[in-house]
Amino acid sequence: GENVEQHPSTLSVQEGDSAVIKCTYSDSASNYFPWYKQELGKRPQLIIDIRSNVGEKKDQRIAVTLNKTAKHFSLHITETQPEDSAVYFCAASMGGGNKLTFGTGTQLKVEL
Amino acid sequence: DAGVIQSPRHEVTEMGQEVTLRCKPISGHNSLFWYRQTMMRGLELLIYFNNNVPIDDSGMPEDRFSAKMPNASFSTLKIQPSEPRDSAVYFCASSPQGSSYNEQFFGPGTRLTVL
Repeated sequence: GENVEQHPSTLSVQEGDSAVIKCTYSDSASNYFPWYKQELGKRPQLIIDIRSNVGEKKDQRIAVTLNKTAKHFSLHITETQPEDSAVYFCAASMGGGNKLTFGTGTQLKVEL
Repeated sequence: DAGVIQSPRHEVTEMGQEVTLRCKPISGHNSLFWYRQTMMRGLELLIYFNNNVPIDDSGMPEDRFSAKMPNASFSTLKIQPSEPRDSAVYFCASSPQGSSYNEQFFGPGTRLTVL
């Protein structure tokens, strides 16, 4: 089955700096890669996703890149703000009605 | 749309008792997922259903856990008998199976404490 590895497990940045979280996946059949943000005590919520026919996707201060050959994808957050502090999860799926396999999460802390 | 609904939001029970968690997916969504989240193990998929049929239950930890989806608008996750190591937050999520990508919408979770 699919295996998703995520690094780093914790990340501390100064407000205004950029943050990068990296994930690798094992199953070349995976074609859908979402990122979820989970604030303390809340549910995971989708913030951005990318499909395998696209190499990069941007939405304001967040972007995701995908390298299918290397089987890795990354989340980039620019101009970080305190409200970006949360746990971020990457995931991989074969799409359709298939399950998501989640990474182990990255605790991002944005310091003033 | 009210989103995914889970009940109860919090459950405290004693070891050996039966626990039933409930989930109502978003109307029109065909896929339903049960997850367990702990600090030690992260976010684990327990089981998922497509069109009310269980597709993959390989994440169910042991026979004490069972899940049902009797119709498109309701699912239960039952633990019998419960043990302290079952303490966790249990999330239910649903997604529109027919879409080309399957964003999963999570419910608010049930925080289970087994004493």
